[in-house]
Amino acid sequence: EPEVTQTPSHQVTQMGQEVILRCVPISNHLYFYWYRQILGQKVEFLVSFYNNEISEKSEIFDDQFSVERPDGSNFTLKIRSTKLEDSAMYFCASSEGAGGIYEQYFGPGTRLTVT
Amino acid sequence: QKEVEQDPGPLSVPEGAIVSLNCTYSNSAFQYFMWYRQYSRKGPELLMYTYSSGNKEDGRFTAQVDKSSKYISLFIRDSQPSDSATYLCAFPGAGKSTFGDGTTLTVKP
Repeated sequence: EPEVTQTPSHQVTQMGQEVILRCVPISNHLYFYWYRQILGQKVEFLVSFYNNEISEKSEIFDDQFSVERPDGSNFTLKIRSTKLEDSAMYFCASSEGAGGIYEQYFGPGTRLTVT
Repeated sequence: QKEVEQDPGPLSVPEGAIVSLNCTYSNSAFQYFMWYRQYSRKGPELLMYTYSSGNKEDGRFTAQVDKSSKYISLFIRDSQPSDSATYLCAFPGAGKSTFGDGTTLTVKP
């Protein structure tokens, strides 16, 4: 069964450094998403991406964050100048289409620890 | 008022019990309703999905939606230790899903 994959599974970085989280969405999916889950808190939407453009972003997704689809398979989230409060699980998801009828398939997540 | 309120839990039940998990929402634009299950240190996985008021059954799981009250529930019958996880209600929209805080369920053998 096709699945979303994410690398690395755990990333430790020092405050102020830049990190890139990588995702490989399901191959025939057209819509890609990043969500964040701070330990013990809810899953929060960050950004959605379609046709090489951001289609929607939350207030969390400020200039510190950027997304890119550098090739036909990868989807990345870059976090610049990391802060302690960026420590969280970051989930990538993909779907065939947009809208409520399309299931978003989630990857296993990358645990980011900022020290 | 929060857009989604989910019964906080945690819940601990004996094996075989019936479990009820509940969410209320305030956004009338929500037309689709999902329940995800999330095992520890894993991504959410879709469990149930519905878009109309009423009940939808899938094995031991029943999703119930009351649009007039803006209230959704997930019932688990004959709960098993393998059902131990965090359950998230979710409301998908055009570009994103809005999640509840999650309810952590432990089913004890």
